[in-house]
Amino acid sequence: DGGITQSPKYLFRKEGQNVTLSCEQNLNHDAMYWYRQDPGQGLRLIYYSQIVNDFQKGDIAEGYSVSREKKESFPLTVTSAQKNPTAFYLCASSIGTSGGETQYFGPGTRLLVL
Amino acid sequence: KQEVTQIPAALSVPEGENLVLNCSFTDSAIYNLQWFRQDPGKGLTSLLLIQSSQREQTSGRLNASLDKSSGRSTLYIAASQPGDSATYLCAALGGYQKVTFGTGTKLQVIP
Repeated sequence: DGGITQSPKYLFRKEGQNVTLSCEQNLNHDAMYWYRQDPGQGLRLIYYSQIVNDFQKGDIAEGYSVSREKKESFPLTVTSAQKNPTAFYLCASSIGTSGGETQYFGPGTRLLVL
Repeated sequence: KQEVTQIPAALSVPEGENLVLNCSFTDSAIYNLQWFRQDPGKGLTSLLLIQSSQREQTSGRLNASLDKSSGRSTLYIAASQPGDSATYLCAALGGYQKVTFGTGTKLQVIP
């Protein structure tokens, strides 16, 4: 089945710790995205990547880092510099022609701070 | 900066009723508008994407319309069912860095 997988489903972070969220897609999409969802707010864009080995900051990139070494994978690292990391993190992908195409989402990772 | 508003924030209807969800956006320079469904604790499921050159898209009991000039989109759900209970989100797609989501309408369909 084609789709997007995210792991883990739940992640606990200790103060001062970096943690990495996994996102994999087998849709052969060029573009991938990371969003953060907080209660009562719309999804906010953290980073996006139009193509392998290239990525751009979104609206709230501070305290986060990404890599795009393979077309299928777009991991997100939440660094210790992110002071309020508790949220639901969603990864998405699209064909990537213009940035206006249908976006497909993974099941999400909920990050909690211990 | 694009702003997307969804009203109402919550809606409760009896089973079988037809209903309309609203989405408004401030910047009409968008490629497309996409409607999603989100169940509690889950990711987003794409329902419909309306291209900027289209006015309507239909999928089963769902019909979405788009009026770029007025900055409005509606999602019409016919003959609602309890399984339609979820949060419905719209997103204005203006390019890679210009994807703006609304905060959603939480729908409850009462049996």
